[in-house]
Amino acid sequence: DAKTTQPPSMDCAEGRAANLPCNHSTISGNEYVYWYRQIHSQGPQYIIHGLKNNETNEMASLIITEDRKSSTLILPHATLRDTAVYYCIVRVPISGSRLTFGEGTQLTVNP
Amino acid sequence: GAGVSQSPSNKVTEKGKDVELRCDPISGHTALYWYRQRLGQGLEFLIYFQGNSAPDKSGLPSDRFSAERTGESVSTLTIQRTQQEDSAVYLCASSRNDVAPEEPQHFGDGTRLSIL
Repeated sequence: DAKTTQPPSMDCAEGRAANLPCNHSTISGNEYVYWYRQIHSQGPQYIIHGLKNNETNEMASLIITEDRKSSTLILPHATLRDTAVYYCIVRVPISGSRLTFGEGTQLTVNP
Repeated sequence: GAGVSQSPSNKVTEKGKDVELRCDPISGHTALYWYRQRLGQGLEFLIYFQGNSAPDKSGLPSDRFSAERTGESVSTLTIQRTQQEDSAVYLCASSRNDVAPEEPQHFGDGTRLSIL
């Protein structure tokens, strides 16, 4: 699976959009981009995933560049409960392929 | 429940004892994974089940670790003769990759294991 690079930390004001970047310049044509987050003392929570097209669900939006070498997770109206470590993961869609978590981005939402 | 359920949530035991950790996946999810997360570190893959079979056990750190799954549902991770280095949060995830292999894995909140 391709490696990902994320900033170690980011801050965001409550109510504002949080835009979390991820670089995956070595991504292969069939690899998906997944985003998870982990709040202290909880298991990782799935947020969203995509291949080429931009995706949106009730939690967030995922913007993938046309060359697929980077992506951005957007939390449209961040709340204090969105404070967590956010992980961008690239994975080949083969049954049984494991998730490899990197260092992630510590997002702190400030009041 | 709607999510992956793990029990116990916390387990403290003495070095040398055996422990069993349980995972109830989301109903209908055919794939089940065990991971380990040591304090301040990333997730470490342990084993993958498809149905009741384990085609990938490559992450099990030693022969003290074993896992089984029955009824294409509940899974148990057993650690024999526990060591202090086994202290970690053990996380279980499930997915419905029989629908599509890109289906995401959904995690439980883990079992925090502490070896005294």
